[in-house]
Amino acid sequence: GAGVSQSPSNKVTEKGKDVELRCDPISGHTALYWYRQSLGQGLEFLIYFQGNSAPDKSGLPSDRFSAERTGGSVSTLTIQRTQQEDSAVYLCASSLAHEQFFGPGTRLTVL
Amino acid sequence: GQQLNQSPQSMFIQEGEDVSMNCTSSSIFNTWLWYKQDPGEGPVLLIALYKAGELTSNGRLTAQFGITRKDSFLNISASIPSDVGIYFCAGQPRGAQKLVFGQGTRLTINP
Repeated sequence: GAGVSQSPSNKVTEKGKDVELRCDPISGHTALYWYRQSLGQGLEFLIYFQGNSAPDKSGLPSDRFSAERTGGSVSTLTIQRTQQEDSAVYLCASSLAHEQFFGPGTRLTVL
Repeated sequence: GQQLNQSPQSMFIQEGEDVSMNCTSSSIFNTWLWYKQDPGEGPVLLIALYKAGELTSNGRLTAQFGITRKDSFLNISASIPSDVGIYFCAGQPRGAQKLVFGQGTRLTINP
């Protein structure tokens, strides 16, 4: 399909391990966003990319979190030394203008 | 930081009834968006509002951008079973690309 795709759909990891989450935006969308959704909560902004640069990283909760985007397309969100409080659904969105379109998310569980 | 207060948190209605939910904030937003999220999926965009006072419809859904730019409401008329889900408001602050989300309204329809 032509929507935003994310992988893996589910990830279970042990505390202290590193994880990488991938996002493939809608083709041609220049902006890409990462959000986090804890159980029963609204979405919390993490980081915004315009092209390959990240003008807004204000939502990253700690220096264990980082993200990159290459070729103006695919983005990877990396969480180092995972903690139990990192367990959540990580959602990616892309846009051309104001309307952001979301992927299905990656459910991360840290044991 | 900026917060959106969304109410009600949950609604239990009969099929065929009309539904109303709203979001308020102490901050001004340039854009208001309404999303619906089904279990295990990412949010799906329902309506986007760009101008203060704007009233927009999408089928049985109607949403308005408050004149003060600090609030928005969503109405659903003649509810049907597929309307079940969690509805989120989201606002785009001035000068920012990120979205700030409300906590969601969980809609349940009794048969």
